[in-house]
Amino acid sequence: GQQLNQSPQSMFIQEGEDVSMNCTSSSIFNTWLWYKQDPGEGPVLLIALYKAGELTSNGRLTAQFGITRKDSFLNISASIPSDVGIYFCAGQLRGTYKYIFGTGTRLKVLA
Amino acid sequence: NAGVTQTPKFQVLKTGQSMTLQCAQDMNHEYMSWYRQDPGMGLRLIHYSVGAGITDQGEVPNGYNVSRSTTEDFPLRLLSAAPSQTSVYFCASSLLGRQGSTDTQYFGPGTRLTVL
Repeated sequence: GQQLNQSPQSMFIQEGEDVSMNCTSSSIFNTWLWYKQDPGEGPVLLIALYKAGELTSNGRLTAQFGITRKDSFLNISASIPSDVGIYFCAGQLRGTYKYIFGTGTRLKVLA
Repeated sequence: NAGVTQTPKFQVLKTGQSMTLQCAQDMNHEYMSWYRQDPGMGLRLIHYSVGAGITDQGEVPNGYNVSRSTTEDFPLRLLSAAPSQTSVYFCASSLLGRQGSTDTQYFGPGTRLTVL
């Protein structure tokens, strides 16, 4: 089946540092979504991307839809302790209504 | 609006038992979907629906049935539970966008299922 390779798997950073994570695949996607999940909760949408090359920001978060439609990245600037959690990318496969999720990036912020 | 609701929050089953996980949304969303999340993994799509009467298989459909008789409800049935189905199950819904895309997916709080 299709796979989304998400990296890094986990990261420890100091408060105030910038964070970058990405997702790549051999499949082509119509839509890229980035979610954050807190323990015991469902994923919450952070950013949605609908066009190749699109760069979108949401506060300290910036995400881009890769030109090839096969990858996306998420940057978090000036991290704060409440950024801790698991971040997932998800892509909608071209020509389908199916979403594939990455395996997640676990972020821990050291105050 | 309640958003996406799921019941029950927790469930323990014995191997071979059947049960239905309930999912409902009050946002008039056409698209609804079920995912399972296993430890250390992302969400995997089980089944989805683009409207009442229309369902299709996702990535891991075996052992699960769905139906969509109304826009609001999308139950997931386990016909004969197996330990491999121990997982956290999430339901999500969204509007259908243009050109075959979906809008923002809203997730429910999840159902934690253990099969002994």
